Amino acid sequence: QKEVEQDPGPLSVPEGAIVSLNCTYSNSAFQYFMWYRQYSRKGPELLMYTYSSGNKEDGRFTAQVDKSSKYISLFIRDSQPSDSATYLCAMRGVAGNMLTFGGGTRLMVKP
Amino acid sequence: GAVVSQHPSWVICKSGTSVKIECRSLDFQATTMFWYRQFPKQSLMLMATSNEGSKATYEQGVEKDKFLINHASLTLSTLTVTSAHPEDSSFYICSAIDNPNEKLFFGSGTQLSVL
Repeated sequence: QKEVEQDPGPLSVPEGAIVSLNCTYSNSAFQYFMWYRQYSRKGPELLMYTYSSGNKEDGRFTAQVDKSSKYISLFIRDSQPSDSATYLCAMRGVAGNMLTFGGGTRLMVKP
Repeated sequence: GAVVSQHPSWVICKSGTSVKIECRSLDFQATTMFWYRQFPKQSLMLMATSNEGSKATYEQGVEKDKFLINHASLTLSTLTVTSAHPEDSSFYICSAIDNPNEKLFFGSGTQLSVL
């Protein structure tokens, strides 16, 4: 079993829909949680960075962390075709700086 | 967010030649940089961790003599693919940690095609 599980998709939604992307993990030592967006043939771009449990909002994006369930989510409101990309979750513990990545979910937002 | 610059964005080379990829942190100092490889529709595969002023730490299965990493300054790490072969063709991405924020930022990636 992988340390971080993420549904590869693809997830196809109509423009304007609310998108929910999720990751589960097994290592209770993870404390920092990130979401990256990667367009084809580009490097990943950091979208959200959260510490421990709770919610964080930035524009149309909301990140949620539920450490008790070892479950993190990224919500995208009013999705746009430009949101079509692969979304990677990543996480790490307090010590060290090595990230553990999920496999990525490919999202397609259709006009 | 912090900026990591990676060059070149794509390179085509003949089999047997060497290719150097540069990764620079433009507005922060990075004591640690990472190099990843990514195949189409697959996730990132960590190749090595590069620490300024010391030898890189390679992941299992990655040939250190094939993929030479140099991290000579706090803003520059280079990856040299030596004696490249077609099977080395891939998308290579670097990343750097922005201390003290400890956030990881990625370069734009380099598509290597070996003929």
